[in-house]
Amino acid sequence: GENVEQHPSTLSVQEGDSAVIKCTYSDSASNYFPWYKQELGKRPQLIIDIRSNVGEKKDQRIAVTLNKTAKHFSLHITETQPEDSAVYFCAASRGSGGYNKLIFGAGTRLAVHP
Amino acid sequence: SAVISQKPSRDICQRGTSLTIQCQVDSQVTMMFWYRQQPGQSLTLIATANQGSEATYESGFVIDKFPISRPNLTFSTLTVSNMSPEDSSIYLCSGKTGLYGYTFGSGTRLTVV
Repeated sequence: GENVEQHPSTLSVQEGDSAVIKCTYSDSASNYFPWYKQELGKRPQLIIDIRSNVGEKKDQRIAVTLNKTAKHFSLHITETQPEDSAVYFCAASRGSGGYNKLIFGAGTRLAVHP
Repeated sequence: SAVISQKPSRDICQRGTSLTIQCQVDSQVTMMFWYRQQPGQSLTLIATANQGSEATYESGFVIDKFPISRPNLTFSTLTVSNMSPEDSSIYLCSGKTGLYGYTFGSGTRLTVV
């Protein structure tokens, strides 16, 4: 069945450093790849997403890259700040088709130390 | 984007009883989904709620344990039946808005004693 693998499970960086989280997916029909940030006790919040017709997307300090051939995508956070500390989840979906469910990766706990 | 109100936010229930969780969306959504999130873990899809038809369950989840209703395009319920301590978890609903967007309810923290 569909599977999304995410690495690393934990990531600790110093404030100002960059953080990279990587995911691979198994369903070649996936065409939508969102990233969610979840703070303790809160709902997941979408921070950035990318569709399969795009290789890279950037929003201020956050960027996502997609390699459809290799079936992997990555989240890049530059100039990290303590408020970036949270759990980050990647996900994959067939998007606009009738089979629309989101499959999540296992999550990465990011700690940004001042 | 759509806003989902989920209730209750938390509950403590006796084993053997059932709890119904409700999600109300402020606009119509094409698909609604129910997830379970164990402490410190990822979101696991329980089922997809279809309006006007039976829900589609993922492997390991059955309708008798997690009956779902979706009477219209803005509302859905998930019931956790005959609860045991292993059912203690956070339950989240999600709505698919448009072609690509997914939004989440605030979650229900369930403790079964």
